[in-house]
Amino acid sequence: EPEVTQTPSHQVTQMGQEVILRCVPISNHLYFYWYRQILGQKVEFLVSFYNNEISEKSEIFDDQFSVERPDGSNFTLKIRSTKLEDSAMYFCASSSDLEPQHFGDGTRLSIL
Amino acid sequence: SQQGEEDPQALSIQEGENATMNCSYKTSINNLQWYRQNSGRGLVHLILIRSNEREKHSGRLRVTLDTSKKSSSLLITASRAADTASYFCATGINFNKFYFGSGTKLNVKP
Repeated sequence: EPEVTQTPSHQVTQMGQEVILRCVPISNHLYFYWYRQILGQKVEFLVSFYNNEISEKSEIFDDQFSVERPDGSNFTLKIRSTKLEDSAMYFCASSSDLEPQHFGDGTRLSIL
Repeated sequence: SQQGEEDPQALSIQEGENATMNCSYKTSINNLQWYRQNSGRGLVHLILIRSNEREKHSGRLRVTLDTSKKSSSLLITASRAADTASYFCATGINFNKFYFGSGTKLNVKP
């Protein structure tokens, strides 16, 4: 069964640095999402992306964050000037039209 | 906020028993999904139920949706130790944005 893959599985970054989290969605999916889960807390929606533009974003997704689909297969989340509170699991998901989302196993981001 | 909230927060049962988890939400929705998360892993989709549906089944899983009460339930029948995980509901008014609840931690004792 096709999967959403995320790399790296664990990213350690110094505070203030930029980080790029990568995702390869399922190939025929059209909708792409990023979520984050701070340790012990609920999964929080960050952003959805369709037809090469952001469809929806949450209050969390401020100017520090950006998403890109640089080619036909990758979907990236960039976090600029990382802060300690950005430490979390970041999940990518994809879906086809009006169908359930399929999630990757996540990238654990640790900001030091 | 539209966020779904699950209860109970934690549930411990013996293998073979049924497990029921509930989700309540605040605003009108288009769809509601249930997910499972094993510790340290991603979310695995279980069932999607749309606002015009009342009940759906998948194997040992049964999901109900009561839009008048703004609530949903997930029933796992004949539970197994492998069902031990956290279970989340996610609500959406469309398919662009979803709100997850805090989850129910299910522990199935062998």
